[in-house]
Amino acid sequence: DVKVTQSSRYLVKRTGEKVFLECVQDMDHENMFWYRQDPGLGLRLIYFSYDVKMKEKGDIPEGYSVSREKKERFSLILESASTNQTSMYLCASSLPGGGTTNEKLFFGSGTQLSVL
Amino acid sequence: AQKVTQAQTEISVVEKEDVTLDCVYETRDTTYYLFWYKQPPSGELVFLIRRNSFDEQNEISGRYSWNFQKSTSSFNFTITASQVVDSAVYFCALSRNQAGTALIFGKGTTLSVSS
Repeated sequence: DVKVTQSSRYLVKRTGEKVFLECVQDMDHENMFWYRQDPGLGLRLIYFSYDVKMKEKGDIPEGYSVSREKKERFSLILESASTNQTSMYLCASSLPGGGTTNEKLFFGSGTQLSVL
Repeated sequence: AQKVTQAQTEISVVEKEDVTLDCVYETRDTTYYLFWYKQPPSGELVFLIRRNSFDEQNEISGRYSWNFQKSTSSFNFTITASQVVDSAVYFCALSRNQAGTALIFGKGTTLSVSS
């Protein structure tokens, strides 16, 4: 079975800190995604990547950046954390599907980030 | 514009009741995919089903069934004889068959099944 592992389940940071959220998948998937989930807003896409060193902005990329140096690892970076970035962050991966998202997503368990 | 609407924010039922979760989508594409995901209290979203736009056959998997109707742009999900373990947030999602685009999720429906 595919496993998507997020490094932390809970994280508490202070405003202004640089925050790294790590995600690793073990099934050689080309596609990787970062979503944030907030009550009443559902899942919103922050960034995604179709290949190593490639990245695409999602719906809400402001205040975030990403890094994909290796195929199995996709990192989300909060350059200067703010309180409005307190959220559940979900990483996902999938097969390429020709660069589309027609294939099912495999999700990690999420990281609940609190910015104080 | 692509959009997925799950009008039911929360649903509460008693065990053994049948429950239907609604999903309405908007797209101008002729080729697209629809998904349902389940998010139990543990937090990890789990894939339930994928349908492509050319396959309108209804599907049944145990107590779960899905009704896809292009005429009404709906992809509804029914749980028969609900159980407490069905308590979760359920998301409907739409994928465009186009490189460089990502999955669009509805806002989710929280289902609570009590014993």
